[in-house]
Amino acid sequence: AQSVTQLDSQVPVFEEAPVELRCNYSSSVSVYLFWYVQYPNQGLQLLLKYLSGSTLVESINGFEAEFNKSQTSFHLRKPSVHISDTAEYFCAVSHSGSARQLTFGSGTQLTVLP
Amino acid sequence: GAVVSQHPSRVICKSGTSVKIECRSLDFQATTMFWYRQFPKQSLMLMATSNEGSKATYEQGVEKDKFLINHASLTLSTLTVTSAHPEDSSFYICSARDRGGRTTEAFFGQGTRLTVV
Repeated sequence: AQSVTQLDSQVPVFEEAPVELRCNYSSSVSVYLFWYVQYPNQGLQLLLKYLSGSTLVESINGFEAEFNKSQTSFHLRKPSVHISDTAEYFCAVSHSGSARQLTFGSGTQLTVLP
Repeated sequence: GAVVSQHPSRVICKSGTSVKIECRSLDFQATTMFWYRQFPKQSLMLMATSNEGSKATYEQGVEKDKFLINHASLTLSTLTVTSAHPEDSSFYICSARDRGGRTTEAFFGQGTRLTVV
């Protein structure tokens, strides 16, 4: 069984400030790791993912996440946030073997303040 | 990226009636689709896994007779909430995996906001 913990339910931050959204996971087997973003009343959009290889992965809109196996973490970071980054962010994990079901964390509401 | 279309985006129904939600993969074939339920300010909870041509697999605690799932083709899965009650009001989201090889990524529909009055 696997689980995902997002320690921060809400993260308020001022525009242009850096942000880190924390994600820790537990699993007895190899996993794939994902970050999804959800805007109000919308479905989820994939932000970035770690499958293998380089432990640092980046999205096209400036977010990055680093897979840390020893700390079982996959924290999401952005050096300078925009108002438009305000959304709910979900960390998720899937078994790398079957790569089918996703287990989600409880989500972090990022609110960027002007 | 691949597109998953979910319809309707919002529906309001009377208590006791049934509501059908459709999930379509528009530009890829999906042998497996997933249905999630999301309560306000909470995470997504997997309800069931929908397999094309076979019975759906339900998660523990999900009533299969209440949440009927049909996956009749490689591009369409439907979730029917039967005899809906106010406690069924929620945000329902489907996702699908590309049969063609991108099995590491799931594509999500835009969700359906169900309100039972």
